[in-house]
Amino acid sequence: EAGVTQSPTHLIKTRGQQVTLRCSPISGHTSVYWYQQALGLGLQFLLWYDEGEERNRGNFPPRFSGRQFPNYSSELNVNALELEDSALYLCASPRGIYGYTFGSGTRLTVV
Amino acid sequence: DAKTTQPNSMESNEEEPVHLPCNHSTISGTDYIHWYRQLPSQGPEYVIHGLTSNVNNRMASLAIAEDRKSSTLILHRATLRDAAVYYCILRTLVYGNKLVFGAGTILRVKS
Repeated sequence: EAGVTQSPTHLIKTRGQQVTLRCSPISGHTSVYWYQQALGLGLQFLLWYDEGEERNRGNFPPRFSGRQFPNYSSELNVNALELEDSALYLCASPRGIYGYTFGSGTRLTVV
Repeated sequence: DAKTTQPNSMESNEEEPVHLPCNHSTISGTDYIHWYRQLPSQGPEYVIHGLTSNVNNRMASLAIAEDRKSSTLILHRATLRDAAVYYCILRTLVYGNKLVFGAGTILRVKS
């Protein structure tokens, strides 16, 4: 089965701008989890989508949002970018008892 | 989610076995023990999981204490490519139950 794909791989944005990150889960899998990993910090849960609906969100401000499409791919949107939003953004497909398969991530740099 | 405790860092010589410990004294009966590793600038990668019995796969072995309050990930022959951050995570198989990552153990492998 194909893995989790994310695009773009790298992105540089200016403070105040908006950004959209994309994720395609494992083919046929309906759930997508988004995580943020700021430099030197751990992975923080951002959002969970399943069957097109937002099911849970982590402790992030509302300018972090997203959606999931009928084909189960997902977008993460971040508005009004701040310097501290610079991070590796990861999405993942759950695989039952085998945990998650993660994508390679999108490295966002805000300048 | 129940918490895990891991050493901040460990060092190993190439071609030697590595034992990465994890304490989880508050583990519940339904918690699976998962191990992931994260190579630099990549998403976490599933390594192994177990519930009560020791487990082996092509990547590693997982030794689980009889009382389940601790576990050890065993890499039988460390290579330079095993240098990564290793995360020990407890997870109950409940719909939507997200993975909660701690700081993990930074494994350094010397040639």
